Amino acid sequence: ETGVTQTPRHLVMGMTNKKSLKCEQHLGHNAMYWYKQSAKKPLELMFVYNFKEQTENNSVPSRFSPECPNSSHLFLHLHTLQPEDSALYLCASSQESRVGVGGGRNEQFFGPGTRLTVL
Amino acid sequence: GEDVEQSLFLSVREGDSSVINCTYTDSSSTYLYWYKQEPGAGLQLLTYIFSNMDMKQDQRLTVLLNKKDKHLSLRIADTQTGDSAIYFCAGRKRDDKIIFGKGTRLHILP
Repeated sequence: ETGVTQTPRHLVMGMTNKKSLKCEQHLGHNAMYWYKQSAKKPLELMFVYNFKEQTENNSVPSRFSPECPNSSHLFLHLHTLQPEDSALYLCASSQESRVGVGGGRNEQFFGPGTRLTVL
Repeated sequence: GEDVEQSLFLSVREGDSSVINCTYTDSSSTYLYWYKQEPGAGLQLLTYIFSNMDMKQDQRLTVLLNKKDKHLSLRIADTQTGDSAIYFCAGRKRDDKIIFGKGTRLHILP
């Protein structure tokens, strides 16, 4: 596997279910990100992890619970979701979350996303 | 207003040039990026420009940056059907946060 992979690619769940999204990066990066992409809003950053430590939580409801056991893996645990949580959830990674101006372009590499539908 | 703004749709005939425009509010942005998202896929970095440059060319892609007007554009020469996608403009702030626009959906007409 190369790049950033995400599983599952599609997920349908009821509001009372508990499920998890998985992301794995094979790029040797130290920062990982969760984004939500829905039709009506710009790409929304949810969580940032840098060297396994959470550095950003953008006021995400507690029904979304991230986990980063190591720099290569990132999970998003889901429970009691709402229909408005249906979206494409994208994982990304980069060298680090903060490199400064001299740190190069530090672009984010994205996975293909998990299309989540909450019934 | 939004930190990064771009028009939502653009239709271009195959073979013509496509120009996708973007405006941003943070004048201290260090890097500006263009990402491409094809159907069913994640975002892929197409090209980027550092804030001290005003132009960058990479094969069929030309990025123009007007720092005074905080305006960024992406020109795709000889647009092909494979260029059909959503194009995201993004700016990196001094605190390294990356702000994405809503994306411009490029539709290619035969």
